[in-house]
Amino acid sequence: DVKVTQSSRYLVKRTGEKVFLECVQDMDHENMFWYRQDPGLGLRLIYFSYDVKMKEKGDIPEGYSVSREKKERFSLILESASTNQTSMYLCASRTGTGPSETQYFGPGTRLLVL
Amino acid sequence: GNSVTQMEGPVTLSEEAFLTINCTYTATGYPSLFWYVQYPGEGLQLLLKATKADDKGSNKGFEATYRKETTSFHLEKGSVQVSDSAVYFCALLSSSYKLIFGSGTRLLVRP
Repeated sequence: DVKVTQSSRYLVKRTGEKVFLECVQDMDHENMFWYRQDPGLGLRLIYFSYDVKMKEKGDIPEGYSVSREKKERFSLILESASTNQTSMYLCASRTGTGPSETQYFGPGTRLLVL
Repeated sequence: GNSVTQMEGPVTLSEEAFLTINCTYTATGYPSLFWYVQYPGEGLQLLLKATKADDKGSNKGFEATYRKETTSFHLEKGSVQVSDSAVYFCALLSSSYKLIFGSGTRLLVRP
């Protein structure tokens, strides 16, 4: 079974802190994604990566950056956390870009910024 | 552009009732379509998918048929259980291979 793990289930941070959210997948997937989930808005794509050291902006990249130094790990960075970044963050991975490829999700990190 | 519209929830049903959650999409071409489910406190899991028109995806008693003429992919189940209580997301795969999600529909099944 594919396993996508996220470093924390819950995080509480203060405004202005630098925050790192880590995601690891164990199936040698090329593609990895970071989403945020907010009530009534569904999932919105923040950043994605097609391969190591490659990254592309999603729909809402402002205030975020990412790092992918190794194939299995994709990190989301909040350079200076703000209260409007309080959300559920979901990581996902996928093996390729075919039309039927499944995205596998981690359990999510619920971040509260005070 | 691409978009997915789902019926607003919550949908509240009694056990063994029939379920329909509506989903319509806007896209260029014929994207693959998906239903994901999120159980309380968990991430999303793929429930079913369809990759071309008239395909029917099915899993765990849930079904959805890719209707090109109505640009729809409605989720159905003949008899829901309490354990089906969750949030259901409809999604399409864009031409750039990104998933576009609907806003989600919460289902609550009462005993």
